[in-house]
Amino acid sequence: EAGVVQSPRYKIIEKKQPVAFWCNPISGHNTLYWYLQNLGQGPELLIRYENEEAVDDSQLPKDRFSAERLKGVDSTLKIQPAELGDSAVYLCASSLDTGVKQFFGPGTRLTVL
Amino acid sequence: QQQVKQSPQSLIVQKGGISIINCAYENTAFDYFPWYQQFPGKGPALLIAIRPDVSEKKEGRFTISFNKSAKQFSLHIMDSQPGDSATYFCAASNQAGTALIFGKGTTLSVSS
Repeated sequence: EAGVVQSPRYKIIEKKQPVAFWCNPISGHNTLYWYLQNLGQGPELLIRYENEEAVDDSQLPKDRFSAERLKGVDSTLKIQPAELGDSAVYLCASSLDTGVKQFFGPGTRLTVL
Repeated sequence: QQQVKQSPQSLIVQKGGISIINCAYENTAFDYFPWYQQFPGKGPALLIAIRPDVSEKKEGRFTISFNKSAKQFSLHIMDSQPGDSATYFCAASNQAGTALIFGKGTTLSVSS
């Protein structure tokens, strides 16, 4: 069974530039999560989707972050414009329906210069 | 509060020893407590999980002990091996499928 796929794995950008991350969840998993992991910290939820619907985006900084999950499969997380403090690893996870067993992708490491 | 507090921050254990990592939570609505293992450059991987209807769960060398009244749970790694050297995160959630609340992690180093 293929795992959660994320791309790119690494991204270096200048501040104020836009950036986008892509995630393809495990086949059949209806629930998709985006987490932010700062260095030396545990992951923190940004947004959770059930199919196409964003059911929990309370922690997403909506002034600069946006996400979409068209057709309820893969998802894109965007930051525009990026700030220095956005440097972190962005993790995507998926689970079957609303089951709590979450499977994580390898993450995208973002560096904002 | 939604916090999960994890200790210690780092741990050094001799090969063959027992590694013990502790977590405490505040929200009594939590009813699912997983442990994740993360290697550098990788995403967290589910190691073992427990629900509060049992006090202990064992899978191979890994055991979760759960104390509902104290709102604490711990991970025990028996016969620790150098390959166990990684960062371990406890987490908590409720069965409604809300997001996991993670502890800050414990970096385990197993010396050979």
